Amino acid sequence: EAGVTQFPSHSVIEKGQTVTLRCDPISGHDNLYWYRRVMGKEIKFLLHFVKESKQDESGMPNNRFLAERTGGTYSTLKVQPAELEDSGVYFCASSQVLGQPQHFGDGTRLSIL
Amino acid sequence: KNQVEQSPQSLIILEGKNCTLQCNYTVSPFSNLRWYKQDTGRGPVSLTIMTFSENTKSNGRYTATLDADTKQSSLHITASQLSDSASYICVVTIIHNAGNMLTFGGGTRLMVKP
Repeated sequence: EAGVTQFPSHSVIEKGQTVTLRCDPISGHDNLYWYRRVMGKEIKFLLHFVKESKQDESGMPNNRFLAERTGGTYSTLKVQPAELEDSGVYFCASSQVLGQPQHFGDGTRLSIL
Repeated sequence: KNQVEQSPQSLIILEGKNCTLQCNYTVSPFSNLRWYKQDTGRGPVSLTIMTFSENTKSNGRYTATLDADTKQSSLHITASQLSDSASYICVVTIIHNAGNMLTFGGGTRLMVKP
């Protein structure tokens, strides 16, 4: 079974530009999560989808971040406009049932110059 | 202050030796506690998961313990191998009105040397 895949693996953009990260969860997993790790800090929760619905978006830092999961399959996380403090590694995870261990992707390393 | 604190931040041991990593948490209400292993450049991979009522859980050479009264957990690695070099992250699941949320510790970076 294919794991959680994220694209791109790395992204370097300038402040003020727009970037879109993509996550393909494990097939059949209704729960999809986005997390972020900024330099020197712990991984922090951003939001949780159940199928195409946002179950919990309490971790989203501000309205420059927009997550979508149209059709309940893959998800995108758009940052517009990007700021320097948005640099970090963005992880996506999925699980079939709430409470089961989440399977993580390898992350997208985002660098804002 | 993070609600999940891990120690030490980093650790170097020789191949074949044992080691114990610590995790203290303050989050509540508590659902479960997980230990993840994260290799450099990869995503975290689940090693163990323990509910409130479990005291210990093993996965091969990894043994996790949980004391829910003192809110402490440990991960013991036996007979370390070079491939154990990674970050080990303690993750506590808390229950809140929107569902379950994972709260991560900062991790312990383990290096196993030959």
